Amino acid sequence: ETGVTQTPRHLVMGMTNKKSLKCEQHLGHNAMYWYKQSAKKPLELMFVYNFKEQTENNSVPSRFSPECPNSSHLFLHLHTLQPEDSALYLCASSSRQGVSVYEKLFFGSGTQLSVL
Amino acid sequence: RKEVEQDPGPFNVPEGATVAFNCTYSNSASQSFFWYRQDCRKEPKLLMSVYSSGNEDGRFTAQLNRASQYISLLIRDSKLSDSATYLCAVNQAGTALIFGKGTTLSVSS
Repeated sequence: ETGVTQTPRHLVMGMTNKKSLKCEQHLGHNAMYWYKQSAKKPLELMFVYNFKEQTENNSVPSRFSPECPNSSHLFLHLHTLQPEDSALYLCASSSRQGVSVYEKLFFGSGTQLSVL
Repeated sequence: RKEVEQDPGPFNVPEGATVAFNCTYSNSASQSFFWYRQDCRKEPKLLMSVYSSGNEDGRFTAQLNRASQYISLLIRDSKLSDSATYLCAVNQAGTALIFGKGTTLSVSS
């Protein structure tokens, strides 16, 4: 148990659906991340929040909308997704982003998303 | 050139073997380096950080070669439970970790 909890574990949605992924960390960290992992591809950084402020948006399509109401919670709102968006979506946290180069990431279990 | 490159493998080795993986990175400003382990359908978990002087944790040894811009992971006396995908990750000040695709290791009895 890494202290980072993601729900749901699995999600199947149609292209016209709206759904949200939730992430909660119990580690007292101040930075939270969304990564996408597709088959045969490296983990791709999507968004970074540091002290609730978005500090990185890695050219992610607007059909993915993050929300970080506080340092412990992170959401990823999904709308009008495409089949190629099917992937494992991983949330991670670290104590502070950008302050020390030795920041270690702790990942949640991920949400396996299938878009039909 | 990709930022972080790894040989995807798979590396198929018998129990007790010694196996080594390399990971090359393109950004010479990279400052921190890590190895993560990822089991099938699970999240990546930190295996070890990689320090400039090299470091060891039990059967695992990590090395950094800044001149050639690569890091390595050596696993001695492989166990069945070492079967997994090993991801290297690098970053520089102010940026999030960038990961390689991972190297798959399969240890058989």
